[in-house]
Amino acid sequence: EIVLTQSPGTLSLSPGERATLSCRASQSVGTHLAWYQQRPGQPPRLLIYHASNRATGIPDRFSGSGSGTDFTLTISRLEPEDFAVYYCQRNGNRFGPGTKVDIK
Amino acid sequence: EVHLVESGGGLVQPGGSLRLSCAASDFIFTTYWMAWVRQAPGKGLEWVANINQDGSVQYYVDSVKGRFTISRDNTQNSLYLQMNSLRVEDTALYYCARDHISGWSLDSWGQGTLVTVSS
Repeated sequence: EIVLTQSPGTLSLSPGERATLSCRASQSVGTHLAWYQQRPGQPPRLLIYHASNRATGIPDRFSGSGSGTDFTLTISRLEPEDFAVYYCQRNGNRFGPGTKVDIK
Repeated sequence: EVHLVESGGGLVQPGGSLRLSCAASDFIFTTYWMAWVRQAPGKGLEWVANINQDGSVQYYVDSVKGRFTISRDNTQNSLYLQMNSLRVEDTALYYCARDHISGWSLDSWGQGTLVTVSS
């Protein structure tokens, strides 16, 4: 089974800073990789699908890149509402363990 | 806007059964794969199962195979999850989600229904 690893576990940053989140697959998943944001008490929200495509309504400060086994979610300038947990997902099923982005 | 509303959660004893429902509206239900995803309290997301457009293909995470059954009624725009032989570790918030039209991701989610398995 293909396992996803996310790093770091927690990222402490200030509003306005750049966030770089990593997701690594144990075997290639091509570009079948998605990113989600989950705020406390809310369901997840799709941010990025097919590794680099922004979902409907997602601001352009969110971008995704990568293919094969190494993927990156970048938030160019953190807004207050971006402090949340971020999950990657491969092949439309298994999720990574998540990265929490909290306020420094 | 897509609407997905889950129901059917509750408190059940280990070994018991529950049937979750998800009412879908404001999109063409028969066009999409659908899925269930769960989240144990304070934990991450776990994909549980998904089903294709006509209900003929289902996939499950290993931990629920043989115990859970995903199904859908396209005449009622509804998705279901029959959960049997429930275990304490099945305790979670269960989300209904819609597959993205291009596949490989989940683009709409309900608010979830809580299942608690405890004696």
